Amino acid sequence: GESVGLHLPTLSVQEGDNSIINCAYSNSASDYFIWYKQESGKGPQFIIDIRSNMDKRQGQRVTVLLNKTVKHLSLQIAATQPGDSAVYFCAEIEIQGAQKLVFGQGTRLTINP
Amino acid sequence: NAGVMQNPRHLVRRRGQEARLRCSPMKGHSHVYWYRQLPEEGLKFMVYLQKENIIDESGMPKERFSAEFPKEGPSILRIQQVVRGDSAAYFCASSLQQVANTEAFFGQGTRLTVV
Repeated sequence: GESVGLHLPTLSVQEGDNSIINCAYSNSASDYFIWYKQESGKGPQFIIDIRSNMDKRQGQRVTVLLNKTVKHLSLQIAATQPGDSAVYFCAEIEIQGAQKLVFGQGTRLTINP
Repeated sequence: NAGVMQNPRHLVRRRGQEARLRCSPMKGHSHVYWYRQLPEEGLKFMVYLQKENIIDESGMPKERFSAEFPKEGPSILRIQQVVRGDSAAYFCASSLQQVANTEAFFGQGTRLTVV
């Protein structure tokens, strides 16, 4: 089975608020993590990544936090907009192992106007 | 530079027929990955190919499924004698190098419906 899982399948936030999407992983050998956004009817789109030698990385309105001790990562989206409504997946790679992305189940984020 | 192109976008097959899904990677990309996605679920890895070679097929069902990435032309995911349980969205991704070193880009997927 997959080694990456998410705490919440759905999340609703008000437009303009911040959102936090969580992800737990079980493979302690995983050392590279990526967040993807998937809009309805489309393929996954890269948002942000983080390697295991970091615990935080920021992009435009997005921040990823990695806690290797408890094998948890999160995606924070600031000042959410209607276009942020989508399903968000975390994925992991074991750099020295199988060169493939392992995806979690996903969280559906809905931005309410 | 066009993105990853998958065709057809939608495919309907009767039980027992064959389904052929095509994926043209981004220009210059020699690494191709196929994933399957059931409704409201994550993407499940199927196979990883690198020009003419199958690198990892640990996610491929043992029977009826095959994949190829010839020297010329698109990558093909072939499903023989389809059953209703094969109904899903199939996504292809490509990358310039191994995914640990470079971004993988996904296509829009092929939605297979078996009736």
